[in-house]
Amino acid sequence: EAAVTQSPRSKVAVTGGKVTLSCHQTNNHDYMYWYRQDTGHGLRLIHYSYVADSTEKGDIPDGYKASRPSQENFSLILELASLSQTAVYFCASSDVTGGGNYAEQFFGPGTRLTVL
Amino acid sequence: GDSVTQTEGLVTLTKGLPVMLNCTYQTTYSPFLFWYVQHLNEAPKLLLKSSTDNKRTEHQGFYATLHKSSSSFHLQKSSVQLSDSALYFCAPHDSGYNKLTFGKGTVLLVSP
Repeated sequence: EAAVTQSPRSKVAVTGGKVTLSCHQTNNHDYMYWYRQDTGHGLRLIHYSYVADSTEKGDIPDGYKASRPSQENFSLILELASLSQTAVYFCASSDVTGGGNYAEQFFGPGTRLTVL
Repeated sequence: GDSVTQTEGLVTLTKGLPVMLNCTYQTTYSPFLFWYVQHLNEAPKLLLKSSTDNKRTEHQGFYATLHKSSSSFHLQKSSVQLSDSALYFCAPHDSGYNKLTFGKGTVLLVSP
């Protein structure tokens, strides 16, 4: 069974503070993703990575940085947290697409971030 | 950019009735299509997937048929159960970048 874990599971941060969300996967997958979930917006892609030491911008990267120090770990960094970044954040991993294979994404349990 | 349109908001049904949740998409490529389901306070999980035009795919009592001519992938079930209450997402997959674009989701609430 695929395993993606996130820490912390919930966090309260102050406006202007720095927040780091961590994700760890034991699937041996090359791809990792960070999404945020807000009511009425579904899941929106923030950053993703397909190899260690490299990250790519997703659809809503402003205000976020990402770090992929190893295949297993992927962090999301909010340098200056703002009220608008209050949301649930999900990490996911998937295998490489190829040969007509479906690249299913496996999600972690989520981190509930509240910025006050 | 890519876009997905799903049945808006909340669908409420009584147990045993049929359901159809609509999904249409706009992409610049011919995608695989996924349906993900998210139960309350849980992570999204894959429910259905397809890339074959006009072929019905089924899983856990749910089924969907990809129609490329109309860019649709509607999710159906003939008889909903209480445990089907959840948030459902449709998502086309861009195999070139290995990315999903999620719709806003539809909440299905099944009552006794």
